[in-house]
Amino acid sequence: KQEVTQIPAALSVPEGENLVLNCSFTDSAIYNLQWFRQDPGKGLTSLLLIQSSQREQTSGRLNASLDKSSGRSTLYIAASQPGDSATYLCAVKAGSARQLTFGSGTQLTVLP
Amino acid sequence: DTAVSQTPKYLVTQMGNDKSIKCEQNLGHDTMYWYKQDSKKFLKIMFSYNNKELIINETVPNRFSPKSPDKAHLNLHINSLELGDSAVYFCASSELAGGLSYEQYFGPGTRLTVT
Repeated sequence: KQEVTQIPAALSVPEGENLVLNCSFTDSAIYNLQWFRQDPGKGLTSLLLIQSSQREQTSGRLNASLDKSSGRSTLYIAASQPGDSATYLCAVKAGSARQLTFGSGTQLTVLP
Repeated sequence: DTAVSQTPKYLVTQMGNDKSIKCEQNLGHDTMYWYKQDSKKFLKIMFSYNNKELIINETVPNRFSPKSPDKAHLNLHINSLELGDSAVYFCASSELAGGLSYEQYFGPGTRLTVT
């Protein structure tokens, strides 16, 4: 059964720092991996989608990598801003219905 | 322009009641999902429907009954609500047929509080 783990559970950094969020998954038979952002009391915003055949995706200050063979993904945030404060969720798409299995998230706080 | 919409956004009800949450997507997707986010913010799949056919039922109590009148709608009906049903319920949709790697789009969530 697919399990997704995110480390750290919480992270606090000063504004301007570059940071890395980690995601690992137990079964490498995935179709893709998505990174989401969730603000308190809000829904999910998709940040990046990496297909299983890709190694990385970039969007603005965000860069996500995927190493399927080792079951790992990282989300790199450059020059962090207070507006980046949110919970970041990693999810892998697998299974017959292509359902997402989520990690428990990393709560990021960027201090001004 | 809303891609995946859910109603209501908030639902407060008493134990033992029956309630429904509605979900609609206008993306033309063939697959819809219900996820539950518990008090610890952990998101977990509950159901998935492809073209109105149930394809996933993840050990959810049979008090929960999804209904898909057409492939653009997936409603969630809950009987005899319990305190432990309090959570945020997210609907999502994606394309399944013809491709394996499509993005999944989420609704804004329905916060259910059972008192």
